[in-house]
Amino acid sequence: DADVTQTPRNRITKTGKRIMLECSQTKGHDRMYWYRQDPGLGLRLIYYSFDVKDINKGEISDGYSVSRQAQAKFSLSLESAIPNQTALYFCATSDSQAGGAYNEQFFGPGTRLTVL
Amino acid sequence: QKEVEQDPGPLSVPEGAIVSLNCTYSNSAFQYFMWYRQYSRKGPELLMYTYSSGNKEDGRFTAQVDKSSKYISLFIRDSQPSDSATYLCAMSASRTGRRALTFGSGTRLQVQP
Repeated sequence: DADVTQTPRNRITKTGKRIMLECSQTKGHDRMYWYRQDPGLGLRLIYYSFDVKDINKGEISDGYSVSRQAQAKFSLSLESAIPNQTALYFCATSDSQAGGAYNEQFFGPGTRLTVL
Repeated sequence: QKEVEQDPGPLSVPEGAIVSLNCTYSNSAFQYFMWYRQYSRKGPELLMYTYSSGNKEDGRFTAQVDKSSKYISLFIRDSQPSDSATYLCAMSASRTGRRALTFGSGTRLQVQP
């Protein structure tokens, strides 16, 4: 099931480099999210977008920027990577029009980023 | 203090055991409570969802919420090796609010055959 795809899956880079992580979805969902996962800290929200023109900072947005190029694409950039940005990054989507009592989020497979 | 606390484990049990996973939280506005399961090298996927207090059962899984104690639990009966994964609790104050989910740090479970 490749409804939410992330590229690259693994990336090693050096301090100071600019990095872009990409997320694409075929689920037709309007909402997209970027999280990072660190051991012992769980998933923390970086940015979220409720539609192409509605982008919002999450709890740990410093050092990151995003671009919602289309409803199906949401990119995360690290302008100048630093070692403490080494983590597992997840993109997620949800559908604001979904029925039921809860607005479920669907996650991609993740990108493992290492900053040396 | 984190809004959501979860014992990181790892928790190792024999096949067939009953497993109890727990989270505590501090934000009394949370009303929607979820358990996500994450297999190694995969993204999390929703396992169970509960609204407000009470119990919800789905096969071998039971989710409990005690809002008065700010405590949620996931019970797994007759645990199987295929249940080996990291389990993350997640919470939200509203169904379609502008905030995304607040996650616990995850508990790694290993079920030994």
